[in-house]
Amino acid sequence: GESVGLHLPTLSVQEGDNSIINCAYSNSASDYFIWYKQESGKGPQFIIDIRSNMDKRQGQRVTVLLNKTVKHLSLQIAATQPGDSAVYFCAERGSGGSNYKLTFGKGTLLTVNP
Amino acid sequence: DVKVTQSSRYLVKRTGEKVFLECVQDMDHENMFWYRQDPGLGLRLIYFSYDVKMKEKGDIPEGYSVSREKKERFSLILESASTNQTSMYLCASSPPGGSHTGELFFGEGSRLTVL
Repeated sequence: GESVGLHLPTLSVQEGDNSIINCAYSNSASDYFIWYKQESGKGPQFIIDIRSNMDKRQGQRVTVLLNKTVKHLSLQIAATQPGDSAVYFCAERGSGGSNYKLTFGKGTLLTVNP
Repeated sequence: DVKVTQSSRYLVKRTGEKVFLECVQDMDHENMFWYRQDPGLGLRLIYFSYDVKMKEKGDIPEGYSVSREKKERFSLILESASTNQTSMYLCASSPPGGSHTGELFFGEGSRLTVL
């Protein structure tokens, strides 16, 4: 079956360091990927997205890298801050008929130590 | 600001009770979704709707039904609640996938406990 998963369930970093959160996906037909951030007690919030015709996209302090050869997605957070502590989910969208349906990974808990 | 509002943040119900979870969005989105979120399992899609009165089963529809009578409102119904339906329920909406990136906008979640 198709799945989206994460290499590391937890990640602990020092404030100011860069963070890298990884995600593996198995559906080679997926054409769109999103990273979400979920803070405790809140719903997931959009961070950044990338289409399958790109391999890198940058936002404010965040970069998403897509390696279609090995079906790998990563989220890089520069100069991590305590406010970045949250669970991060990757999600993929299959192309074709289910183009409004996202499949989510299980999440990585990022803890930022002051 | 876009807004997805779930009517109840916390509910406690008894086994066998009928439970309604309500969700309203103010973005005029066509697509609406119900997910449940459990530790170690991530977000799993229960049902979604791409238009008024339309619905499609997600990955785990058993024990649930939905209603979409108006574009802005999508209700999740547990006909007879069971303890294994204790979970966090997340509602989301999105514009049509063909004309937009497909980003989902989530509500704050409804934590349901079934005793």
